[in-house]
Amino acid sequence: IAGITQAPTSQILAAGRRMTLRCTQDMRHNAMYWYRQDLGLGLRLIHYSNTAGTTGKGEVPDGYSVSRANTDDFPLTLASAVPSQTSVYFCASSDDSSGANVLTFGAGSRLTVL
Amino acid sequence: GQNIDQPTEMTATEGAIVQINCTYQTSGFNGLFWYQQHAGEAPTFLSYNVLDGLEEKGRFSSFLSRSKGYSYLLLKELQMKDSASYLCAFMDSNYQLIWGAGTKLIIKP
Repeated sequence: IAGITQAPTSQILAAGRRMTLRCTQDMRHNAMYWYRQDLGLGLRLIHYSNTAGTTGKGEVPDGYSVSRANTDDFPLTLASAVPSQTSVYFCASSDDSSGANVLTFGAGSRLTVL
Repeated sequence: GQNIDQPTEMTATEGAIVQINCTYQTSGFNGLFWYQQHAGEAPTFLSYNVLDGLEEKGRFSSFLSRSKGYSYLLLKELQMKDSASYLCAFMDSNYQLIWGAGTKLIIKP
C-alpha cells in the first residue's frame, strides 16, 4: 500500500538521550516535512525538504535535525531530548507538481521524554 | 503578522448539517485547506480553495472569501463516523502551511 511509514509508533525516552524518528515514503514525492502536534496548538513545522539533498528549517527547528539522502527517507533526530519535546510527530510528503501542495501524512510517532 | 482561528469544539446531531468556521490573517495567501483527523490518527486531506466561492465534494463543501479572510467547512447528513477534528490551514506567501488548532466535532445520535 502506497504511503508513508513512520517508526517507532510510540517511544518513552529519558531526557538527554539521542533519538531518531524514521520516515519512509514510496510515492516518489519530492517534498517531505516533519510536524509536531501538541494539544491546543496547530501543527507546527519542524523541518522540511523540497527535494533529495536539500533541507530547510520550519517554525520550531531548535533541538532537531534532519537529513534527506534520497527521495524516500527523511529521518528526524533529537540530539539530546528534553521534556518539552514530548509530542506527537507527523511526517508528511507532497507531490508539489499539482500546485495545491496536498500533504499525505504518516500515522505519527508519539514521543514522551521524561 | 499571521494567525488563524477556528472554534475548539462543536457538537451536532446525526443526520443534521454543521458549519465549521475558520478565519485567518496573512499578508500573502496561496490557498486554504481543510483536513480531517480522527483521534489517534493522521490528518487526511478534505478540500482546497484558492479562489472565492464554494467547492462541493459529496457531503462536504468548503467555502472561501479571500477579502474577509474567512472559510467554512459544511458537513451535510452527518454520520457518526464524521466525529473527528477538522483542521484549517492556509498557505502563506512562502508556500508554507499555517495551521489552526483544529475543531473537535462531536456527533450525537
